[in-house]
Amino acid sequence: QQPVQSPQAVILREGEDAVINCSSSKALYSVHWYRQKHGEAPVFLMILLKGGEQKGHEKISASFNEKKQQSSLYLTASQLSYSGTYFCGTEGGNDMRFGAGTRLTVKP
Amino acid sequence: DGGITQSPKYLFRKEGQNVTLSCEQNLNHDAMYWYRQDPGQGLRLIYYSQIVNDFQKGDIAEGYSVSREKKESFPLTVTSAQKNPTAFYLCASSIPGFWQPQHFGDGTRLSIL
Repeated sequence: QQPVQSPQAVILREGEDAVINCSSSKALYSVHWYRQKHGEAPVFLMILLKGGEQKGHEKISASFNEKKQQSSLYLTASQLSYSGTYFCGTEGGNDMRFGAGTRLTVKP
Repeated sequence: DGGITQSPKYLFRKEGQNVTLSCEQNLNHDAMYWYRQDPGQGLRLIYYSQIVNDFQKGDIAEGYSVSREKKESFPLTVTSAQKNPTAFYLCASSIPGFWQPQHFGDGTRLSIL
């Protein structure tokens, strides 16, 4: 069962904020977030482990609610370089499932 | 620089042909993975290997085969049994364990002639 991401796509102006959500129907041990630019390899952003941990660096952060089996990625004061497709990966102990992705476009 | 190299970048296959996609890594990772990416869908796991000479089927292994004779290499063969092989294929590696961050190659785009 692949996690469900929302929204499917979002368009922002530079400096605006965005939230991308990831929801799973099964219990999770960890959630991973990746960003992929068109035609390139997905790049690892961060991992969140059980325990309600929140991580982030600079203006990109994330939260993980293990009870709700949900994670959210927060992009603050978006930059042009943030454009790309964001994937969440949910780890259930012995597998990793990826969502369909959220396409983020940041315009000047 | 350490990384994962996939080749070729683009590949064309005729009906009934087997083709092999190459994946090489110099990150000294024990685990390697193959994913298929289709438009509008997430990455789907084809095969994975947590150690040399051992590999496991993922969610969509039918029509594909792999080998893991060396730690650095994890080639994927798309056989003629795979009826819809047109897709973007991504190889990844990591320290063993699905909770570990995965490092991806740049992918191979396979098309049917």
